[in-house]
Amino acid sequence: EAGVTQSPTHLIKTRGQQATLRCSPISGHTSVYWYQQALGLGLQFLLWYDEGEERNRGNFPPRFSGRQFPNYSSELNVNALELEDSALYLCASAPGQGTYGYTFGSGTRLTVV
Amino acid sequence: AQSVAQPEDQVNVAEGNPLTVKCTYSVSGNPYLFWYVQYPNRGLQFLLKYITGDNLVKGSYGFEAEFNKSQTSFHLKKPSALVSDSALYFCAVRDYSNTGKLIFGQGTTLQVKP
Repeated sequence: EAGVTQSPTHLIKTRGQQATLRCSPISGHTSVYWYQQALGLGLQFLLWYDEGEERNRGNFPPRFSGRQFPNYSSELNVNALELEDSALYLCASAPGQGTYGYTFGSGTRLTVV
Repeated sequence: AQSVAQPEDQVNVAEGNPLTVKCTYSVSGNPYLFWYVQYPNRGLQFLLKYITGDNLVKGSYGFEAEFNKSQTSFHLKKPSALVSDSALYFCAVRDYSNTGKLIFGQGTTLQVKP
């Protein structure tokens, strides 16, 4: 069974640009979660999508947005990039609400210069 | 508010010795607790979870964790550490407000020396 896949692995953008990160969940999983792992800040919850709807978002500005497609894959978009957006962005998937935990992908390393 | 604390930034043990990585939690109601491990430049890998039942939970790679309700702790343990166990370990608790999110501790770096 394929795991959670994220693309690209690495992304370098200039401040002010937009970044798009992609995630494909495990087959059969309807929920996708996005987390930001910035140096020294641990894992911060970004967004939760389930059945195509945004169910919850963390304490991030509106320039962090995303969507979930009918096949349950997901995109995370970060507009007007700032230097402090440099981080590892982790996607995870779960069946239903993730009551029993998630399966994480390997992440996208976003570097803003 | 629910929270998880990992009081040690780093734990150092010698190969072959037992290891413990500490985690305490604060939740309202019964906790759903998790341990994940992260190797350099990789995502998080699931190790084990406590939902209900026996307080001693066995997981992947020989790890186990002990749920202690009175001490609100969920410490990760392994009887005999391997150098390959060196990694960043995260404890997490499920948010009970149906937000779908896991709340993670700050992580503990485990260094196993040969």
